[in-house]
Amino acid sequence: GQNIDQPTEMTATEGAIVQINCTYQTSGFNGLFWYQQHAGEAPTFLSYNVLDGLEEKGRFSSFLSRSKGYSYLLLKELQMKDSASYLCAPMDSNYQLIWGAGTKLIIKP
Amino acid sequence: GAVVSQHPSRVICKSGTSVKIECRSLDFQATTMFWYRQFPKQSLMLMATSNEGSKATYEQGVEKDKFLINHASLTLSTLTVTSAHPEDSSFYICSARSPRQIYEQYFGPGTRLTVT
Repeated sequence: GQNIDQPTEMTATEGAIVQINCTYQTSGFNGLFWYQQHAGEAPTFLSYNVLDGLEEKGRFSSFLSRSKGYSYLLLKELQMKDSASYLCAPMDSNYQLIWGAGTKLIIKP
Repeated sequence: GAVVSQHPSRVICKSGTSVKIECRSLDFQATTMFWYRQFPKQSLMLMATSNEGSKATYEQGVEKDKFLINHASLTLSTLTVTSAHPEDSSFYICSARSPRQIYEQYFGPGTRLTVT
């Protein structure tokens, strides 16, 4: 079967760094997406990894290890506006995104 | 960047009535559009995939006669919730994919449906 495993909730302090881990199993693999979703809003694209390694984009970085079925999203210099849910979504062989419940990130001052 | 709109953003309807939600790709042609439903604190659930000019492909457990999907043009797909019930109250989100970028889905802002 296909499944995604992410922590349900994480708490971090403003200005700090947080790493959100994701493990996955899919039928085939065409890369992995990370999305941010604020409450009551649609997901917004953060990153896409298809090869192993680290992709850096400003305060956000995403890492992928295909052999381990593992990815993480690293958020630096946390801001209050980063409080949101973060969704790890691998893409299977049919180019369908597989969604987990996401990780709710709470930022405290 | 690619923009997808949804209309309406919020709708309240009475039990037993039907509601139509529109999804439009504003600056690109979307050969494939996806319809999702999301209940509070749950993951996005894919309801169906629609390809322009053909019948939608529904996910297991989604009633095709209740959730009517029409993808009549390359920029518009509609989802009609027929004979709505309170349990259909949810956040409905569409996304669109361009044939040029098969890996990326562009999401609409979502529609909050409340059935009373």
